[in-house]
This record gives sequence, C-alpha cells and structure tokens, in this order.
Amino acid sequence: GAVVSQHPSWVICKSGTSVKIECRSLDFQATTMFWYRQFPKQSLMLMATSNEGSKATYEQGVEKDKFLINHASLTLSTLTVTSAHPEDSSFYICSVEATNEKLFFGSGTQLSVL
Amino acid sequence: GENVEQHPSTLSVQEGDSAVIKCTYSDSASNYFPWYKQELGKGPQLIIDIRSNVGEKKDQRIAVTLNKTAKHFSLHITETQPEDSAVYFCAASRSYIPTFGRGTSLIVHP
Repeated sequence: GAVVSQHPSWVICKSGTSVKIECRSLDFQATTMFWYRQFPKQSLMLMATSNEGSKATYEQGVEKDKFLINHASLTLSTLTVTSAHPEDSSFYICSVEATNEKLFFGSGTQLSVL
Repeated sequence: GENVEQHPSTLSVQEGDSAVIKCTYSDSASNYFPWYKQELGKGPQLIIDIRSNVGEKKDQRIAVTLNKTAKHFSLHITETQPEDSAVYFCAASRSYIPTFGRGTSLIVHP
C-alpha cells in the first residue's frame, strides 16, 4: 500500500496564529488526498478532498477560508488552519487514495490551541 | 447519503477468544467495504477489505463477511491477542469516498 507521512505529529499554538500540516505520499503519486478531522472517541469526519493542481472540494459546514488546502504536487498536500481558536483543537488526519479505492492514512496531527 | 451503523461500541474479550464486529449500511449502491484499525494517537490502518462481488475474505486471523441482500458486513478476529486492542472502523464506499462507522473499541485482556 501507499506510505503516507504526516507532520508535525503534534503542535501547540496560541489562539489567533496559523498552523500548517503537511501530508506526503512517499511511494505513490497521489492525484487525490483527503483531510479528516477526528474528535476524541469519535469517528473520522471528512473535511475536504484535495486534488492536485486544482482547488479543494470542501464538505458542507467546513470553512474554506479557515482551512486552506494546497495540493501543488502529486506527493504533497498541506492543510493550514488560519487564525486558530481553541475550538479548532482536534486530531487532523490526511489520507491518500491509492488504486482500487484503497485509502492509506497518515499518522495524524494533534492540534492544541491555547 | 450513505449511513453506516457499527456495533458494538465497546467489546471486551479474553486473549484467545474470538471477536466479531458488525456493520450495516443503507446505500445499496455501495460496493467497497474496508476495515481500519486505529491505535491511540495514530492514523487508521487498512487491515482488510471486501468488494460487493465477494461474500467472504480471509487474511490469517481476520476475516470479513458481506451480505449484500441484508446490507450488512462483519469483521471476525480469531485467537485474539493483546496487540489487537485498538479501535476498529468499518466503512462503506461507492464513489471513492467512504462513509465510516462510529468505531468499536476492542479490548483484549491477557
């Protein structure tokens, strides 16, 4: 399967600052990547679909101006949480769509906003 | 849209016992059913999957069964070991974007 590297694994930031999370597909050229958010003891919530070379597609209720996604190459997608607030604290996970609908996930980023 | 129900939410077993997790889905057009294992603080890991043209699939101690008519599928883990302790998610997909169940926390007691 695809090997997905995500970092940082955890980040603490002050309210009002921006945080960038990187997701790299190490052995697979990923046209499509996905960004998920997960609250403690809950399921994965799809935030957006990231398409290489084009704008991301956001799920209903996800603010595109707050969660900026860039997928500039077939191996890298980034999620920037702008003007972070405590309610943005969560576990963020990226995934790569490999062949035959198989999804491979990164190790996740725990964001804590103080 | 698709709705996936997963039960139980918590499952506690003794080492060596079998564990079964069940999921139901609502969209009859769904044709791909993966299962993921998530350990604390990590991303989900694909452990097994099944497509709608297959009724059962095995990989060593884990197996998945699918009943298309009833729209349910199950994960079976035999000879459980403490390292199987994790949260397991089922999912149903028809257009490359899966809908996940709410997860089952499996605890295997030594």
